[in-house]
Amino acid sequence: QSALTQPASVSGSPGQSITISCTGTSSDIGDYDYVSWYQQHPGKVPKLMIYDVNNRPSGVSSRFSGSKSGNTASLTISGLQAEDEADYYCSSYRASNTLVFGGGTKLTVL
Amino acid sequence: QVQLVQSGAEVKKPGASVKVSCKASGYPFSNNYIHWVRQAPGQGLEWMGVITPSLGSTSYSQNFQGRVTMSRDTSASTVYMELSSLRSEDTALYYCARRGSSWWFDLWGQGTLVTVSS
Repeated sequence: QSALTQPASVSGSPGQSITISCTGTSSDIGDYDYVSWYQQHPGKVPKLMIYDVNNRPSGVSSRFSGSKSGNTASLTISGLQAEDEADYYCSSYRASNTLVFGGGTKLTVL
Repeated sequence: QVQLVQSGAEVKKPGASVKVSCKASGYPFSNNYIHWVRQAPGQGLEWMGVITPSLGSTSYSQNFQGRVTMSRDTSASTVYMELSSLRSEDTALYYCARRGSSWWFDLWGQGTLVTVSS
């Protein structure tokens, strides 16, 4: 099973906005609204940031937002802060009760 | 306290099997599917499969078909993931994760490091 495609790295300055893309196929992102995003700091457990494309769990900052167009999902972080520096992973449901993750994107706050 | 607590680190030889446990507490065990996700050193997340605690039904990633078995013990609120025919590439941190209302994970175990080395 091939992974979803994410850029290896993105960067931005404090206060700026960045967007991380996650490209799949018509068998996953394109056909289901079950895209999630996770933040992982070094040595830590992943943390859910966005679920079902554009929903934020309680306690997650409104600076984080998600969207989807066709086979590509996106995570946007506005008002970048130093604490946002982490790895970010997208995931999507793929037919037949399976799930697939993206390869991960390292966000650097300059 | 709502949590998933996993068993401790394991060191295995190539060709052996490993069984990792994940004990749920603080919520009704049968209410939420449990998934297994692994992360090799310095690498990304990889989905392995899912088990429904209530029925014990499973679905596995094609990448692990034939090598992975997930099971549960409802009396102990514990799920298990067994991986066989281990090779060095299976060295990774193995996580169990609780599924929310759809295909997302709101609670993760602390991870179990499995090292495969001769």
